[in-house]
Amino acid sequence: DAGVIQSPRHEVTEMGQEVTLRCKPISGHDYLFWYRQTMMRGLELLIYFNNNVPIDDSGMPEDRFSAKMPNASFSTLKIQPSEPRDSAVYFCASSSVPGLAVYNEQFFGPGTRLTVL
Amino acid sequence: DQQVKQNSPSLSVQEGRISILNCDYTNSMFDYFLWYKKYPAEGPTFLISISSIKDKNEDGRFTVFLNKSAKHLSLHIVPSQPGDSAVYFCAASARETSGSRLTFGEGTQLTVNP
Repeated sequence: DAGVIQSPRHEVTEMGQEVTLRCKPISGHDYLFWYRQTMMRGLELLIYFNNNVPIDDSGMPEDRFSAKMPNASFSTLKIQPSEPRDSAVYFCASSSVPGLAVYNEQFFGPGTRLTVL
Repeated sequence: DQQVKQNSPSLSVQEGRISILNCDYTNSMFDYFLWYKKYPAEGPTFLISISSIKDKNEDGRFTVFLNKSAKHLSLHIVPSQPGDSAVYFCAASARETSGSRLTFGEGTQLTVNP
């Protein structure tokens, strides 16, 4: 298995532009998570899906952020309009049903480093 | 509010010595804890976990200790190796109330010097 795939790996954009981050979870995983990593707050959960349905989006900072999961193999995180304070590394992770193997082990993608100028 | 805190942003140890990384939490509903390791330009990877019914879990050079009364856990690495240099994240889960959700700490950068 290729693991969780994220694209792009790096994104540099200007303030006000729309940014779309993409994620392909591990095949067969039921859960998909979007995180943001910052120095001050570590890994923050933004939103997570179960069977393509958003379960908890309380971590989404503002209405400028939106996430979709149109099918089991693809998810997007969109920021519109982007701002310099959105600069961070964004991770996507997936996991299978809790109780199998290590409980709640999440498998992370390599991340997208976003820079908003 | 930061429910999982790692108060040491960095730690430096000599090769062969013990590394101790600490983590504190505030939510008494947390009942499962995990440590993740992250190398630069990679995503975090699972390292070791512990359930709240235990106070210790060991896997090779890695041992996690849980003190529920103090709401504190620690990761011991012995002996430390240069390849252990990475950022270590503590994470917690409240299985009954939050299901699959993990709450992560800020991370501790461990540097093991040869």
